[in-house]
Amino acid sequence: ETGVTQSPTHLIKTRGQQVTLRCSSQSGHNTVSWYQQALGQGPQFIFQYYREEENGRGNFPPRFSGLQFPNYSSELNVNALELDDSALYLCASRYRGNTEAFFGQGTRLTVV
Amino acid sequence: GQQLNQSPQSMFIQEGEDVSMNCTSSSIFNTWLWYKQDPGEGPVLLIALYKAGELTSNGRLTAQFGITRKDSFLNISASIPSDVGIYFCAGQLYNQGGKLIFGQGTELSVKP
Repeated sequence: ETGVTQSPTHLIKTRGQQVTLRCSSQSGHNTVSWYQQALGQGPQFIFQYYREEENGRGNFPPRFSGLQFPNYSSELNVNALELDDSALYLCASRYRGNTEAFFGQGTRLTVV
Repeated sequence: GQQLNQSPQSMFIQEGEDVSMNCTSSSIFNTWLWYKQDPGEGPVLLIALYKAGELTSNGRLTAQFGITRKDSFLNISASIPSDVGIYFCAGQLYNQGGKLIFGQGTELSVKP
């Protein structure tokens, strides 16, 4: 039990739609990162938020966006969904200055 | 996206056997982390390494930060059925705080 919770656990969307995924960080953690994990692959870094601002981004297009709230919870928004966006989306929280990141159970997104 | 080279991709072993897996990169990392992921779950942190040459244990698990800073190793001694899962290495490059680069994973199967 990492203390990082994500919702929903599963989601099915149609191509072209928009989706919002949510994450509640572990208590005391002020930095949150989002990862995309395709089937059979390792997680890929999407972006990171600290103090409600994005401060690091991976190789993902602008239709992937996020928010971090004052209570350190976070959202991942994906617009104009594509079939290739089908994946497990993972949220990880940590305390800034500490490398050890703790993951939630993930949201399985299927785009049809 | 950028990934580490993790090997082997899969292992089938007998209960009680020792297991070794490793990750290599062409880049120098300042932190190595090892995670285990069960089906439908997020990765769980096993061991964190911060210094070249560092050897750290967590129960039957032992991991090492390579001297060149470009590789890391994980050993599991006396494997048991609950060791089944996918093991991922993850590294953090210098000055890219928070962004973890993951290997492709090693899938471990243990026969009782």
